[in-house]
Amino acid sequence: QKEVEQDPGPLSVPEGAIVSLNCTYSNSAFQYFMWYRQYSRKGPELLMYTYSSGNKEDGRFTAQVDKSSKYISLFIRDSQPSDSATYLCAIYMGRRALTFGSGTRLQVQP
Amino acid sequence: AAGVIQSPRHLIKEKRETATLKCYPIPRHDTVYWYQQGPGQDPQFLISFYEKMQSDKGSIPDRFSAQQFSDYHSELNMSSLELGDSALYFCASSLGSGGSSYEQYFGPGTRLTVT
Repeated sequence: QKEVEQDPGPLSVPEGAIVSLNCTYSNSAFQYFMWYRQYSRKGPELLMYTYSSGNKEDGRFTAQVDKSSKYISLFIRDSQPSDSATYLCAIYMGRRALTFGSGTRLQVQP
Repeated sequence: AAGVIQSPRHLIKEKRETATLKCYPIPRHDTVYWYQQGPGQDPQFLISFYEKMQSDKGSIPDRFSAQQFSDYHSELNMSSLELGDSALYFCASSLGSGGSSYEQYFGPGTRLTVT
């Protein structure tokens, strides 16, 4: 079993929809929780990171962490065609590299 | 803002050949990470360096080696290439707190194709 499980998608939504992307993890020692966006044939781009349980908002993006259930989410409000990409959750445990989920491919239809 | 630079962007090699990938981190970043991403897969950690010393090691084959130089750039050397080595290779950098950080910034990647 992978340390980080991510809903594989693909996910197709109409423009303006609210998108929910989710991951679960198994190791309670994980400390930081990140979301990366990766366009086709490009490097992952750090979108947001959070440390504690709760919500963190940045524009149209909200990252949510529930450490008690080991569940992390990324919400995208008013989704745009330019949001079409693969979204990777990543988790960090001190002094180690990132552990990635398998990625969810999102397509926002105009 | 300056980003991570990787070269070359594309590389085609034959089986059993060698390849060298280069990574130039964001200025002032002292930690470099190498990841391998196969088709349709998530990035897998290979190796990392902090202040020119190896700081962590992941699933890097023995045929691969890497180092970080005094100007903090890093090179990944791959020998006896196999078809299964065809992948995107990403370099990431961070301002390390002792050799690792959650805030890693990725380069555009080198696409290696082994024929």
